[in-house]
Amino acid sequence: AQRVTQPEKLLSVFKGAPVELKCNYSYSGSPELFWYVQYSRQRLQLLLRHISRESIKGFTADLNKGETSFHLKKPFAQEEDSAMYYCALREIQGAQKLVFGQGTRLTINP
Amino acid sequence: ETGVTQSPTHLIKTRGQQVTLRCSSQSGHNTVSWYQQALGQGPQFIFQYYREEENGRGNFPPRFSGLQFPNYSSELNVNALELDDSALYLCASSSGGHPYNEQFFGPGTRLTVL
Repeated sequence: AQRVTQPEKLLSVFKGAPVELKCNYSYSGSPELFWYVQYSRQRLQLLLRHISRESIKGFTADLNKGETSFHLKKPFAQEEDSAMYYCALREIQGAQKLVFGQGTRLTINP
Repeated sequence: ETGVTQSPTHLIKTRGQQVTLRCSSQSGHNTVSWYQQALGQGPQFIFQYYREEENGRGNFPPRFSGLQFPNYSSELNVNALELDDSALYLCASSSGGHPYNEQFFGPGTRLTVL
């Protein structure tokens, strides 16, 4: 069965420090991986997807099929990065449903 | 272009009652997915509708049912409510027919079952 694991429910770092949010997945096929973000009082929104291979708001994520990981990284955290982050995978076939991890609440301290 | 809207924002029901939640898709989108998000958890897929037909279902009992209308708005119906149904219900719309189309989420409906 598909599963997404985010081992840290809470992560707190200082402004300017590097950030890494961990995500591991299990899936028998070739999934599509995403990071979604939810800022305070806002709706869930897409941050980035592995097929785009782009940096959004300074964040990057590399799909490591050998380690089945898709960790989110940013070299220098900013206070506006404080939010709830969800890693998700999507099946390529069928309903293409999203399977989410439980989320990591990131807090950037000034 | 308007985004995904959901109604009501929140509601309170008692065990055994029935509830209908509504979702208006983003303009031009013909696919809607519903998710349940329990407190402290990530969203969990309930089902998806594409052009008014159910196009996939998660691990939810039959008392969770849905509809999609010709204008691509959608309803989620839950019968015989249980305490564990208390959650935030999210809908997400997308343009079907392409595997990589982004799903855009609504603000959610918070359901409390007493």
